[in-house]
Amino acid sequence: EAQVTQNPRYLITVTGKKLTVTCSQNMNHEYMSWYRQDPGLGLRQIYYSMNVEVTDKGDVPEGYKVSRKEKRNFPLILESPSPNQTSLYFCASSSGTIDTDTQYFGPGTRLTVL
Amino acid sequence: EDQVTQSPEALRLQEGESSSLNCSYTVSGLRGLFWYRQDPGKGPEFLFTLYSAGEEKEKERLKATLTKKESFLHITAPKPEDSATYLCAVHSLQGAQKLVFGQGTRLTINP
Repeated sequence: EAQVTQNPRYLITVTGKKLTVTCSQNMNHEYMSWYRQDPGLGLRQIYYSMNVEVTDKGDVPEGYKVSRKEKRNFPLILESPSPNQTSLYFCASSSGTIDTDTQYFGPGTRLTVL
Repeated sequence: EDQVTQSPEALRLQEGESSSLNCSYTVSGLRGLFWYRQDPGKGPEFLFTLYSAGEEKEKERLKATLTKKESFLHITAPKPEDSATYLCAVHSLQGAQKLVFGQGTRLTINP
């Protein structure tokens, strides 16, 4: 089954404790992206990647890191999480450019930073 | 700066009662406008892409239309299973490979 998977689905952590949220897709997609979703603010893009070793900032990249060492994986790293990073996070992928190809979203990771 | 505003924030309809959701946008040249559906606890699911004013697309009870300043998602004779949050997003000429999303419209269809 074609899908985007994220792990963990739920995470409660404390301020400053480094964490990684994994994202994997099995559709051989070139493009991958991370979003956060907050009440009243909608979905906002954090980082995206056009291909392996190619990443670029979205609208809210501060406090986040990403890497794209393999085509199928695009982990999101929070080196020193803070409470304002408490949010619902989504990973997405598409086969090519986002204006011509459908983006498929993962199920989401709900992160709470205490 | 690209902006997307959706209205209303929430809409409650009776089954069979048709209505429209609005997505107003301000962009520096539109590459594409997207509609997604999001069910509680799930990721957004793609519905439509519109590229130019006057374009229309349909899927079951949903029809999306586009003008130079806004898009409408028309829902005809909705059923309870159409209840969801509907998201609008734009990709602009200056937006590289980034999408800008609106806040969504939460639609509830009562049986």
